[in-house]
Amino acid sequence: GNSVTQMEGPVTLSEEAFLTINCTYTATGYPSLFWYVQYPGEGLQLLLKATKADDKGSNKGFEATYRKETTSFHLEKGSVQVSDSAVYFCALSDRLAGTASKLTFGTGTRLQVTL
Amino acid sequence: DGGITQSPKYLFRKEGQNVTLSCEQNLNHDAMYWYRQDPGQGLRLIYYSQIVNDFQKGDIAEGYSVSREKKESFPLTVTSAQKNPTAFYLCASSTGQRGGYQETQYFGPGTRLLVL
Repeated sequence: GNSVTQMEGPVTLSEEAFLTINCTYTATGYPSLFWYVQYPGEGLQLLLKATKADDKGSNKGFEATYRKETTSFHLEKGSVQVSDSAVYFCALSDRLAGTASKLTFGTGTRLQVTL
Repeated sequence: DGGITQSPKYLFRKEGQNVTLSCEQNLNHDAMYWYRQDPGQGLRLIYYSQIVNDFQKGDIAEGYSVSREKKESFPLTVTSAQKNPTAFYLCASSTGQRGGYQETQYFGPGTRLLVL
């Protein structure tokens, strides 16, 4: 079955540091890939997505490129802020029967940014 | 503003009691989903629904039930058969169009269920 593996956290960085959170996946077919962010006590918010190989998703300074050859979708940001402190989830989406889709999530990586 | 609302934010369940979590969306989405989140883990799919009056089991449906009588609403009941119900429950929706695996699922704020 499908699976997503993320680097374990927590990741602790100083403000303005470079961020990389690794994500690799196993899937049959051609899934779409997503990064979601969860702030304490809240639901998940979509951060970015990519639907085919070599696509780059980007939002709020975060970027990730869909690499089919390495089955990876690593999240990067050039300069993190304290407000980026949250849990980040990598996920892949595959088709369920009919028109619904199923998200398979990694276990999440907690990012803590300090001044 | 369009979005997904879940209520209550916190819910307490006594032993042997069934409890129902509410999920409402005004995004005009056809597909709706329920996920369970346990500490330090990713989300797992409980049930999903593509259209009104239709729903399917996900990976961990045992001890849960759902209904979909209206497009906007997809309530989840945690029954007494669910022996470990303490978790964070998240509802999501997507447009449900063909090619749906490329679609984004939008999430509500979640309900935290605790056992007394």
